[in-house]
Amino acid sequence: NAGVTQTPKFQVLKTGQSMTLQCAQDMNHEYMSWYRQDPGMGLRLIHYSVGAGITDQGEVPNGYNVSRSTTEDFPLRLLSAAPSQTSVYFCASSQRPKEVSPLHFGNGTRLTVT
Amino acid sequence: SQQGEEDPQALSIQEGENATMNCSYKTSINNLQWYRQNSGRGLVHLILIRSNEREKHSGRLRVTLDTSKKSSSLLITASRAADTASYFCATNSYGNNRLAFGKGNQVVVIP
Repeated sequence: NAGVTQTPKFQVLKTGQSMTLQCAQDMNHEYMSWYRQDPGMGLRLIHYSVGAGITDQGEVPNGYNVSRSTTEDFPLRLLSAAPSQTSVYFCASSQRPKEVSPLHFGNGTRLTVT
Repeated sequence: SQQGEEDPQALSIQEGENATMNCSYKTSINNLQWYRQNSGRGLVHLILIRSNEREKHSGRLRVTLDTSKKSSSLLITASRAADTASYFCATNSYGNNRLAFGKGNQVVVIP
């Protein structure tokens, strides 16, 4: 099993551009989530999903959209990139949605917005 | 909002020594988890302790939980150079599908 796969690994955007960060998992996990990691801030939850067709906002959702059309995929869309969205983005999944069980993380996407 | 808050100091120890780091949180939890992150990589789950448990072991790791003080500690015994990483605690609250992470605690093990 590949686990959680994130693409791309690195991305540079100009302010105002849009893009989609891809996340796929092959563990049949119901729960998927997106975090951003900034120096000195730890990880902050952007959006999460407890199953196909269901998404909800986390701590810092503004400027991001998500959808969950399949169990496997959970893409994160930046609508109009801003320098404040420069960060490392992690996708994570877990088996049980009702009690957050151990998260499996991808290796991250490092995004720079100029 | 941020729940877990680790002691913010970076820790530098000699190989073979024990490393202890602490985490405090503010509200009632369902479980608390510890994760490790090596440089440039995603987080890796280490151990989960439920609110009705006081201590848990996994190999060289020992986690304690004191719900009365809303705190947890992670002990790594007989540290190795490969233990050099950042360690995060994360809390899950009842009726909540979220896992809230602390800011992390960097540990450097000197060979």
